[in-house]
Amino acid sequence: LAKTTQPISMDSYEGQEVNITCSHNNIATNDYITWYQQFPSQGPRFIIQGYKTKVTNEVASLFIPADRKSSTLSLPRVSLSDTAVYYCLVGDMDGSSNTGKLIFGQGTTLQVKP
Amino acid sequence: GAVVSQHPSRVICKSGTSVKIECRSLDFQATTMFWYRQFPKQSLMLMATSNEGSKATYEQGVEKDKFLINHASLTLSTLTVTSAHPEDSSFYICSAGLRGRTDTQYFGPGTRLTVL
Repeated sequence: LAKTTQPISMDSYEGQEVNITCSHNNIATNDYITWYQQFPSQGPRFIIQGYKTKVTNEVASLFIPADRKSSTLSLPRVSLSDTAVYYCLVGDMDGSSNTGKLIFGQGTTLQVKP
Repeated sequence: GAVVSQHPSRVICKSGTSVKIECRSLDFQATTMFWYRQFPKQSLMLMATSNEGSKATYEQGVEKDKFLINHASLTLSTLTVTSAHPEDSSFYICSAGLRGRTDTQYFGPGTRLTVL
């Protein structure tokens, strides 16, 4: 399973755009890149998923360069409620090799200040 | 989106007793579910893969006789912590993927276990 590396923590202020970059140098051809958000004492919540190029939904954008060895989660105009831990994971999309299990890294703790 | 529930949300038990935690996929079928454990200020640690109709697959270092997993249907997996001890106190989280797909996992809200 591809290992991911993220910054341990980041600080930002309300209204700013936050970009969190994740490295996954050993990503496999079948791997998707997925980002989750976790608040204290809650299960992770799916944010966004992509395979290549750019993906955008109502809460975030995900930028993936051509080599797919990294990805960047972009959160536009963060608010205090975006303070959480953000996890980047890579996983097999067809389950042929690992039945879809995900291995969590340490994640990035984002602190949004007023 | 897909919803996964867990019951109970929190449980306190005495040392030596057994505790059962349920994980349900409410609006989809899940051939495979996963169980994680999370200690304070730490990341999620995968414990085991729960397979419907077959034995669970445990990660290295996880005692299969202590953490019993049963996946009786396509919507329900249970984790039983047997003879619980204070060091088993943790936040237990399950996840499930849509049947036939393994790229997106949906997580339950977690169960806080406290062993006295």
